[in-house]
Amino acid sequence: QKEVEQNSGPLSVPEGAIASLNCTYSDRGSQSFFWYRQYSGKSPELIMFIYSNGDKEDGRFTAQLNKASQYVSLLIRDSQPSDSATYLCAVNRAGGFKTIFGAGTRLFVKA
Amino acid sequence: EAGVVQSPRYKIIEKKQPVAFWCNPISGHNTLYWYRQNLGQGPELLIRYENEEAVDDSQLPKDRFSAERLKGVDSTLKIQPAELGDSAVYLCASSSTGDLGVYTFGSGTRLTVV
Repeated sequence: QKEVEQNSGPLSVPEGAIASLNCTYSDRGSQSFFWYRQYSGKSPELIMFIYSNGDKEDGRFTAQLNKASQYVSLLIRDSQPSDSATYLCAVNRAGGFKTIFGAGTRLFVKA
Repeated sequence: EAGVVQSPRYKIIEKKQPVAFWCNPISGHNTLYWYRQNLGQGPELLIRYENEEAVDDSQLPKDRFSAERLKGVDSTLKIQPAELGDSAVYLCASSSTGDLGVYTFGSGTRLTVV
C-alpha cells in the first residue's frame, strides 16, 4: 500500500462544474496536508494546505480533511480550462520533516 | 523576489557519464530539498538540508549520488556514473524552517540518459 494514494485519472469535467479530487493516506499520525498543482512540463506549485479536520476555503478551492477516515479532498468550483493540470496530494508524516507526495490526479476541464 | 533557480533546464548524457545539477534557493530559506520525479509519479525526496547539514539522505543512492550545500545557500547534486534509470526530472525546493510541506520548487532539470 502506498503511503499517499490518488486516482490517477484523468478526471474530465465541463467548464463551470465542480471538480472533486481525492486522496487517502496510510500514516494515521500525519499532521499536515497539502495540494500542489503541476502543469505539464512545469514544477509543482502549492495551492492549499490544511491542518485541522473540516473544510478550508480559498477562492474557488476548498480543501477537506477527515483524519478519522484518513482522507483529504480538493474541490474546485466553477472549473476553468486553465485548471487543467495534475493535482498532487502531499502529506507530512507525524513528528517529522518528511513530506510524501501522491502520484497525482490529472484533471481536464473541457471548454 | 527571485524564486528557486535551477540549472541546467535540460541535460542529455550517455550512460556512465557524470552529471551535476545546481540550485539556488529563495533567500532566507534555510531548508533545501532535492526531489526526483519520474514520469507519471509524484516527487520523491532524495535529500534534505537544514542550512549546510544534510539531515535526511536516507533515500539518496549513495553509491552514485552525492550532494553538497556549501555555506548553507547554493546546492549541487551529482550523479556519477549515470544509469539509464536515472532519467527523470530533478527538482530543487526550499522552505523556511518550520514550514513543513510548504515548498517552493524550482523549474527542475530534465535529465535524459541514453
